[in-house]
This record gives sequence, C-alpha cells and structure tokens, in this order.
Amino acid sequence: EPEVTQTPSHQVTQMGQEVILRCVPISNHLYFYWYRQILGQKVEFLVSFYNNEISEKSEIFDDQFSVERPDGSNFTLKIRSTKLEDSAMYFCASSVGQGSYGYTFGSGTRLTVV
Amino acid sequence: AQSVTQLGSHVSVSEGALVLLRCNYSSSVPPYLFWYVQYPNQGLQLLLKYTSAATLVKGINGFEAEFKKSETSFHLTKPSAHMSDAAEYFCAVSDNFNKFYFGSGTKLNVKP
Repeated sequence: EPEVTQTPSHQVTQMGQEVILRCVPISNHLYFYWYRQILGQKVEFLVSFYNNEISEKSEIFDDQFSVERPDGSNFTLKIRSTKLEDSAMYFCASSVGQGSYGYTFGSGTRLTVV
Repeated sequence: AQSVTQLGSHVSVSEGALVLLRCNYSSSVPPYLFWYVQYPNQGLQLLLKYTSAATLVKGINGFEAEFKKSETSFHLTKPSAHMSDAAEYFCAVSDNFNKFYFGSGTKLNVKP
C-alpha cells in the first residue's frame, strides 16, 4: 500500500538553528499538508500546498516556517530559527485531491529543540 | 468553525469487553468525520470516515462509528476489545478536506 514517507524519524537541534523536515508524498497525489502535535496536545493543521503554492495556512505558520516542493517527489518544511516551543511531532500528509480519497498521513518526525 | 471534543483522555477496558470512545463535534456546515488510530511511534492510520452516506460507518479492525446529528456525536465502538487495540485514538472533523481539526485523543488501554 502506498505510504507517505518522512525523514528523519527523530531530530534534535539547537535553539536558533535551521531545520528541514522532509516528506515524500504518495506519487500521484497533488495536495500536500503539514500538521504538528506538541506532546500531550492536539494534532494541529499548519499548512496546505497545491500547485507549488500555499493554499491555506494556520496562525501557527508564521514567517519562521516555509514549505517547498524542490523536485517532483519531496515536500519539505523548514523552520528558520528554531525555538524550544517548536519541539513537537510533525506529520506530513498528502491527498489526490480535495476530497476524502486517499488523504494519507506519514509516520511523523519528532523534533526536539534543546 | 470546526472543533472536536473527545471525552476521556484515558479509557481502560478488559480484553473482550465493549470499547466506546466518545467524540462530539461542532461544525457550521455538514461535517466530514473521521477516526484515526496512532500506535506508539507510528503515524496516523485511518480507521473510518463519515462522508454523508450511511450514518453507521464500519471501519478496519472491527471498529464502527455512528453519526448522530441530533447529538452532534460520532462515537467509536468495538464489540470486543483485543490487546492489539491498545493505542491512541483521534477523532477529527473536516468541512472541505483541505484541513482536519483533531480532538485531544483518547488513549485506550486493554487489560488482559
């Protein structure tokens, strides 16, 4: 069964450093998303991406965050200058279209900022 | 605006007993509702979804959920718990499939 693949599974970074989280969506999917889950809290929507541009973003997704689809297979989330409160599990998801079909989450990257 | 409330952050049942995980939603439009399961160190796996067809939805691993508009509920049930059902369960709502709103999650413990 097709999967959304996220790398790395765990990342530790120093406060103030830039970090890039990587995702390989399912190959025929056109819509891409990032969510995050701070320990003990809800999974929260960050951003959706379609046709090489952000289609929607939440209040959390401030100027410190950016997303990119640098090639035909990867979808990345960059945090420019990490803060302690960025420590969370980050989930990538992809879907064929804006419908229920095939909306699939990856296994997540646990980011720890020290 | 969409939101989901899951009653009970932890639920403990004996193996073979009924599993009932509660979810209430708030939505300004007819919602799409979902249950996801998360096993330790794994991603979010779709259990089932309601998309305005039958109100009783059957999912994987013997789980089902019933959409009750009058109660704004979408509770998850399984007649007989198995040890392998121990995990965290998330209810989610979406109005347009562009983004999901998740509940706080319920950790299910299954006792032998």
